[in-house]
Amino acid sequence: DAGITQSPRHKVTETGTPVTLRCHQTENHRYMYWYRQDPGHGLRLIHYSYGVKDTDKGEVSDGYSVSRSKTEDFLLTLESATSSQTSVYFCAISPGLPLANYGYTFGSGTRLTVV
Amino acid sequence: QKEVEQNSGPLSVPEGAIASLNCTYSDRGSQSFFWYRQYSGKSPELIMSIYSNGDKEDGRFTAQLNKASQYVSLLIRDSQPSDSATYLCAVNIEGASSASKIIFGSGTRLSIRP
Repeated sequence: DAGITQSPRHKVTETGTPVTLRCHQTENHRYMYWYRQDPGHGLRLIHYSYGVKDTDKGEVSDGYSVSRSKTEDFLLTLESATSSQTSVYFCAISPGLPLANYGYTFGSGTRLTVV
Repeated sequence: QKEVEQNSGPLSVPEGAIASLNCTYSDRGSQSFFWYRQYSGKSPELIMSIYSNGDKEDGRFTAQLNKASQYVSLLIRDSQPSDSATYLCAVNIEGASSASKIIFGSGTRLSIRP
């Protein structure tokens, strides 16, 4: 999607290895989010950020960490990948509150397979 | 745990008919509600947002909100094959530190048959 890029698009990794996914935006939006999407579960929030160095946990944060050292980049790290973390990961951005006026814009997603 | 519930479908509707998608939510404090459309293998895209009780219309789409009953619905008039997709209902949840986030339902798969 215009203004938001996720990398890599696809990745296969081995159990126990660390993995970092990157979300890059050119919109200068304050809010950034990481979701995972699995069949039957919809989109579940992992972590989110409301400013540089300001982050908070979502509903499925165990095994994940995030960092945001500058406005445009939000990194998601799987500290020690497990097969249960095989999923499609989406990054989303929003310019600000109230969300009613903006909603989210999503990136194209990263398909991660842990073998 | 705040929840958003949707019937997973699939919902099959003939072309030209009205498709009706429903969603219930548990957090009475929610103020903003969204419908996203997601084609297979693609990312979700916002199609409607609503925050006042009643109806909001945008082209062939109408979102309906009833806060007392805690449900949101989406009507698609004159359904087209291109409307075949998964529709995600989403609700805002006020978080700590002045942050707000959106919780999604698991989605309803809609199929428009010619």
